[in-house]
Amino acid sequence: EVQLVESGGGLVKPGGSLRLSCAASGFTFSNYSLNWVRQAPGKGLEWVSSISVSGSYIYYADSVKGRFTISRDNAKNSLYLLMNSLRADDTAVYYCARDWEVLSYWGQGTLVTVSS
Amino acid sequence: DVVMTQSPLSLPVTLGQPASISCRSSQSLVYSDGNTYLNWFQQRPGQSPRRLIYKVSNRDSGVPDRFSGSGSGTDFTLKISRVEAEDAGVYYCMQGTHWPGSFGQGTKLEIK
Repeated sequence: EVQLVESGGGLVKPGGSLRLSCAASGFTFSNYSLNWVRQAPGKGLEWVSSISVSGSYIYYADSVKGRFTISRDNAKNSLYLLMNSLRADDTAVYYCARDWEVLSYWGQGTLVTVSS
Repeated sequence: DVVMTQSPLSLPVTLGQPASISCRSSQSLVYSDGNTYLNWFQQRPGQSPRRLIYKVSNRDSGVPDRFSGSGSGTDFTLKISRVEAEDAGVYYCMQGTHWPGSFGQGTKLEIK
């Protein structure tokens, strides 16, 4: 069974940093592209970042470019999102999802709250 | 960026009746490999999104056959043949053809 489990969310002050993790199981991790998608409270879904199988191709939404860094560790079956210079409008549930063209599987999400 | 426009945004439906959601993209979603990466997701209250349909019309495993997807180019539709109580939630279309991927605004289906 495919599982994606996010962790690392929490309350952080504006300007602060946080590192999210997504632990994967049930599939050959190194064979799939991975993504972060977020959802602000009561709002719709927003694509945040994607990383290719090898990590050679990385994409960011304009709203996070220069502040967020996506990475993966194929040996640990893990996806990461380092978030710096956090702002109030980054407050959201962050989901990791597999396969960027079709988002086939999603995790349960981790809540990031940016507030003073 | 590709803009995805769903309609309606609110859809009250009586149990057992059909429902239809439209999704239009600002550009063609046909990729150079011939595939059209238009997908549909359901999000029930308090849950993660769950994919229902991928590449326009392919139903995911475990998805009831009352759900169907159709369309081409820039115009797509999700249909539910007979709405059941468990279908209440928000439905999103999403394109993965062009970077960045993008979602529609969401259609909230409520049971009357």
